[in-house]
Amino acid sequence: QLQLQESGPGLVKPSETLSLTCSVSRGSIRNSGYYWAWIRQPPGKGLEWIGFVHDSGTAYYTPSLKSRVAVSVDTSKNQFSLTLSSVTAADTAVYFCARSITPLVEVPAAIFDYWGQGTLVSVSS
Amino acid sequence: EILMTQSPATLSVSPGERATLSCRASQSVSTNLAWYQQKPGQPPRLLIFSASTRASGVPARFSGSGSGTEFTLTISSLQSEDFAVYFCQQYNNWPPMYTFGQGTKLDIK
Repeated sequence: QLQLQESGPGLVKPSETLSLTCSVSRGSIRNSGYYWAWIRQPPGKGLEWIGFVHDSGTAYYTPSLKSRVAVSVDTSKNQFSLTLSSVTAADTAVYFCARSITPLVEVPAAIFDYWGQGTLVSVSS
Repeated sequence: EILMTQSPATLSVSPGERATLSCRASQSVSTNLAWYQQKPGQPPRLLIFSASTRASGVPARFSGSGSGTEFTLTISSLQSEDFAVYFCQQYNNWPPMYTFGQGTKLDIK
């Protein structure tokens, strides 16, 4: 069964850049045809889709974060990554990586079937 | 952006009873809607997609219905392991602008 695991610093200072990596095991990103996603959840709150990247490198982002976010893929390492720049306390959240699949021919990615356990990133000086 | 609104925020139900959770979209999403279950300290688990299709391994007591802007998740006979938070998610756009509801917490009565 596919496994995803997030890694990265648990504490980031305001105005700095948050960087996380998701390692995929028991499955390959290369030529998978899937999109690989980042989703976050502020403590005690709901879920926010951040963005996802195709194994070809094509990426899409939520509009509210588009100016600060980048999601990339490294198929040689079977990993994909998130960077979020100029962070503030509002970016404090549990960050999940996930695989995105779709039941729709016309939409390449839609729902999230495999998830990592999540990693808490706090933004504080 | 399509706003997803779930109600109620908290629902208290006794084990063995039926639970009905609602999700409303600010504009039509057709049947492009999914439901997730999340337990404390765990990632969400995909339950339902295309408004009414159960994901692999999901018990038959979970059912989804609706289309357009109004959706319902029904749990027919609550088991102890069903007490959790439930989120809906729309995926009606491409390029994607996917949004989730704020969640309904299902509590033991």
